[in-house]
Amino acid sequence: AQKITQTQPGMFVQEKEAVTLDCTYDTSDPSYGLFWYKQPSSGEMIFLIYQGSYDQQNATEGRYSLNFQKARKSANLVISASQLGDSAMYFCAMRELSSNDYKLSFGAGTTVTVRA
Amino acid sequence: DGGITQSPKYLFRKEGQNVTLSCEQNLNHDAMYWYRQDPGQGLRLIYYSQIVNDFQKGDIAEGYSVSREKKESFPLTVTSAQKNPTAFYLCASSPRQGANNEQFFGPGTRLTVL
Repeated sequence: AQKITQTQPGMFVQEKEAVTLDCTYDTSDPSYGLFWYKQPSSGEMIFLIYQGSYDQQNATEGRYSLNFQKARKSANLVISASQLGDSAMYFCAMRELSSNDYKLSFGAGTTVTVRA
Repeated sequence: DGGITQSPKYLFRKEGQNVTLSCEQNLNHDAMYWYRQDPGQGLRLIYYSQIVNDFQKGDIAEGYSVSREKKESFPLTVTSAQKNPTAFYLCASSPRQGANNEQFFGPGTRLTVL
């Protein structure tokens, strides 16, 4: 079964506007972590933000924030004040902590294109 | 500088040949991972290793083999048994401890089978 679902294959956003990338996850493990990565066209994966299942507050890192809705099993990434350099593919990933193997399960990704 | 290196960046192979992709890290991380990425898709785990001389199969291990003789190195061999090996291969590492530790990725190797 798919553990991470990203339903938006591609999105367009105007420069300086905010964009929300959807991510839903499926796990029965009460202890887990959620990650977002950015992959520019060059191919490297860049870590953006982390949210733990027991964290009381939504994570924020600069222009990135995570809208964590635990009951809905949703961990959407919000990019504020979009820049041309934000054009990339974005992946949501999950680590289930009870397994103790530190593996990540990735979603299919969302391509974001920022327009000037 | 600390990081992960993968070589080569581009690799071409004839059908029926084995090929080895290199992955080296100087981050002193215990755990290392190999992923495959097909165009427009997410990452799928091939193999991972949490400690030297130990490794486990991921979701798509068939046709691949690995070794972990040194902490810094985790080479991946794509064998002739892999039916469709053309893909982008990413190596990653992470500290073994710490739930919130992200995986650090190398720049990737793009393999094309001719």
